[in-house]
Amino acid sequence: DQQVKQNSPSLSVQEGRISILNCDYTNSMFDYFLWYKKYPAEGPTFLISISSIKDKNEDGRFTVFLNKSAKHLSLHIVPSQPGDSAVYFCAASAVGGQGSQGNLIFGKGTKLSVKP
Amino acid sequence: DTAVSQTPKYLVTQMGNDKSIKCEQNLGHDTMYWYKQDSKKFLKIMFSYNNKELIINETVPNRFSPKSPDKAHLNLHINSLELGDSAVYFCASSQELAGALNTGELFFGEGSRLTVL
Repeated sequence: DQQVKQNSPSLSVQEGRISILNCDYTNSMFDYFLWYKKYPAEGPTFLISISSIKDKNEDGRFTVFLNKSAKHLSLHIVPSQPGDSAVYFCAASAVGGQGSQGNLIFGKGTKLSVKP
Repeated sequence: DTAVSQTPKYLVTQMGNDKSIKCEQNLGHDTMYWYKQDSKKFLKIMFSYNNKELIINETVPNRFSPKSPDKAHLNLHINSLELGDSAVYFCASSQELAGALNTGELFFGEGSRLTVL
């Protein structure tokens, strides 16, 4: 049973436009959410995170929005650049839970292609 | 200087063999992990060690045995390899924070692609 879902396996965007990557979750115990970016032949790298006490977190061109009632979060990249082309993983954790440390539940990823 | 390094990057072997993947982190982190990314692209935790002690052990066959000689190293040994073990295995580490809060930011290695024939 997928607790974190990224229903779009791929997304193609023109350079300079906005990229919106979506993520849904089913476990209401999740209270911390992260986005990881992965280039081919490399490990995922942390991009941005958000706690459930917030509904928005911004870092430069990257903004994550959280809608707890809908159990939905999204990553906005604006403006998109060709170097943003990568696989983006959404991940969630229940921070306060027993044994939760490091037990991030990952989505399957969305492959973003930003075309020049 | 690589923060989390794992070797080998590629491993091709026959069914029934025993193999190991090594992982080292130079970040001074207290916690290390093994994740498996299978053919369906799911990235799932297998083990978590904190200061050489096992913290998380998800439902993984006991053919998989992690070993942590010190907190900077977490090796993964796999006995009697099966076809279904073919995957990319990622090592990761994180700094354990005081108190109950752990932001969950993991630093991943580059992955080790295991192919079992």
